[in-house]
Amino acid sequence: AQSVAQPEDQVNVAEGNPLTVKCTYSVSGNPYLFWYVQYPNRGLQFLLKYITGDNLVKGSYGFEAEFNKSQTSFHLKKPSALVSDSALYFCAVRDAAEAGTALIFGKGTTLSVSS
Amino acid sequence: DADVTQTPRNRITKTGKRIMLECSQTKGHDRMYWYRQDPGLGLRLIYYSFDVKDINKGEISDGYSVSRQAQAKFSLSLESAIPNQTALYFCATSVRGTGSVNTGELFFGEGSRLTVL
Repeated sequence: AQSVAQPEDQVNVAEGNPLTVKCTYSVSGNPYLFWYVQYPNRGLQFLLKYITGDNLVKGSYGFEAEFNKSQTSFHLKKPSALVSDSALYFCAVRDAAEAGTALIFGKGTTLSVSS
Repeated sequence: DADVTQTPRNRITKTGKRIMLECSQTKGHDRMYWYRQDPGLGLRLIYYSFDVKDINKGEISDGYSVSRQAQAKFSLSLESAIPNQTALYFCATSVRGTGSVNTGELFFGEGSRLTVL
């Protein structure tokens, strides 16, 4: 079975500071991993994905994520947070071998960036 | 124009009423999905369809039904709405592809907010 966990309901950072939003996953085989962002009253927007290759993945709006197979983690990071980064962030996973399944999402982490 | 369009965007209805949420897409994707979002619970999969003749139940299909009228259209129905079906509903699509193309990456609509009184 596939699962994903986001251990923090909320992350608070000051503008200009680095931010990390945590995600851990569980799949039987190799994972496909995704981060999505949701702004108020909007749909989910794709940020980045890990499929294979380099463990450090760069995405939209200056975000990046690091795939760590031994820790089964895919934490989202940004070197310098902006107030406009405040939103709800979702991690999602799919087992690469399970082509007939859909993405499984975490419960989401609210990021609040203060000025 | 949006690639994945959901209608209605907002609906208030009463317990026991039948309600249909519609989704259409211009992305040419084969696969379509319905998710439900509740605060603190994230997104949960209701139904998904990999082509017109293929419908699959997701994690929380009870109380819902779907229809894949065409490759580009996928509707979600609540036959007899109840208050705990109050939620934000998302339609999404993905490309079938093969190998590295078939990652399951989803493209979302803007959501349909349903309130059941």
